[in-house]
Amino acid sequence: SAVISQKPSRDICQRGTSLTIQCQVDSQVTMMFWYRQQPGQSLTLIATANQGSEATYESGFVIDKFPISRPNLTFSTLTVSNMSPEDSSIYLCSARPGTGLTGELFFGEGSRLTVL
Amino acid sequence: QKEVEQNSGPLSVPEGAIASLNCTYSDRGSQSFFWYRQYSGKSPELIMFIYSNGDKEDGRFTAQLNKASQYVSLLIRDSQPSDSATYLCAVPNTGGFKTIFGAGTRLFVKA
Repeated sequence: SAVISQKPSRDICQRGTSLTIQCQVDSQVTMMFWYRQQPGQSLTLIATANQGSEATYESGFVIDKFPISRPNLTFSTLTVSNMSPEDSSIYLCSARPGTGLTGELFFGEGSRLTVL
Repeated sequence: QKEVEQNSGPLSVPEGAIASLNCTYSDRGSQSFFWYRQYSGKSPELIMFIYSNGDKEDGRFTAQLNKASQYVSLLIRDSQPSDSATYLCAVPNTGGFKTIFGAGTRLFVKA
């Protein structure tokens, strides 16, 4: 299992600013993922963050808008850059412990961003 | 066609009834299938996973998988008001590097 701490838990941001979300896992994990969940919607994968390599972004998400860092096996950050009201959402960090590729995902508590 | 499809509901059942949640997926190479429960304002939590065709039971929950039909379901027996939540079907893609979630089915269990 894994316990994931995410911060900030919520923030209100001004249009045009950037915010970095931090994600800390209590154990070393190979794969970490960043999801976005807009109000009333399901989870949409933004990118996969692997230690020692560039993040892999899903269609519709680009590095300039959502830069990701993965400096070690327990930590990752997601930055939401040049924010607009459309970026208002919950951002979830998740991790897959163990060596298997298809195991359970554990989630942080989420970061609820509101962009004014 | 969406990669993972669910009826968004809401699905409303009386307390004590069986709730049936359905999911179809498009990637025939997928090997594992997960059901997550998400309470309002909370993060998803795993309740069931299934790898093999057939049924898998865990307490009041039964997952059913039919790979030929690309169909997976979750049955909740003796539904309780505390089961009221959104249930997310999740399927890792072929290779398993990423997990795709369905839209989720909102379940309401009426006392």
